[in-house]
Amino acid sequence: DIQMTQSPSSLSASLGERVSLTCRASQEISGYLSWLQQKPDGTIKRLIYAASTLDSGVPKRFSGSRSGSDYSLTISSLESEDFADYYCLQYASYPTFGGGTKLEIK
Amino acid sequence: QVQLKESGPGLVAPSQSLSITCTVSGFSLTSYGVHWVRQSPGKGLEWLGAIWAGGSTNYNSALMSRLTISKDNSKSQVFLKMNSLQTDDTAMYYCARDGSGNSPFDYWGQGTTLTVSS
Repeated sequence: DIQMTQSPSSLSASLGERVSLTCRASQEISGYLSWLQQKPDGTIKRLIYAASTLDSGVPKRFSGSRSGSDYSLTISSLESEDFADYYCLQYASYPTFGGGTKLEIK
Repeated sequence: QVQLKESGPGLVAPSQSLSITCTVSGFSLTSYGVHWVRQSPGKGLEWLGAIWAGGSTNYNSALMSRLTISKDNSKSQVFLKMNSLQTDDTAMYYCARDGSGNSPFDYWGQGTTLTVSS
């Protein structure tokens, strides 16, 4: 199984702040990674796929990048609707998820 | 527009079996696959398995002895069946579409809660 280690597990930030979340893969996943957003009501939305491709309709303040086995989601300027839980998901082999990041308002 | 909606029994007794239905609209199951994922407090998000457009399936190896995924293309429904339920199967169960190309899990259902309890 490919393990996805996501950090931080929680993050407190202010409106307008820039934040970055990271997932590290235990094996090579060749960019087969998505970022998901989950709202408090349980609704899940995909934000990014193929490590850096933004889904249609997702604000451009979201971006994804890769450095070796580390994959990052960056939100350039936090807005109120961005406070949610975020998960990475690898699909290079059978899918596995990171442990999640809870993004809260400071 | 693309939509997926899960429906299930809500509460099941231990050792019993479960059937959850994912009803889709806005796309055809003959063209797209569907994944099942669950989320529990103890284990986070866990992929259960998938059924592909042609009808073949893949399962999480840790659960495959207890899982069956099937579908009815004409009714736009995908079914998840799990047997020998235990309390740690208590979770929110989601279905998600496998998008075309390198684009899996592009749309998700709202989820259905399952509690395993006597």
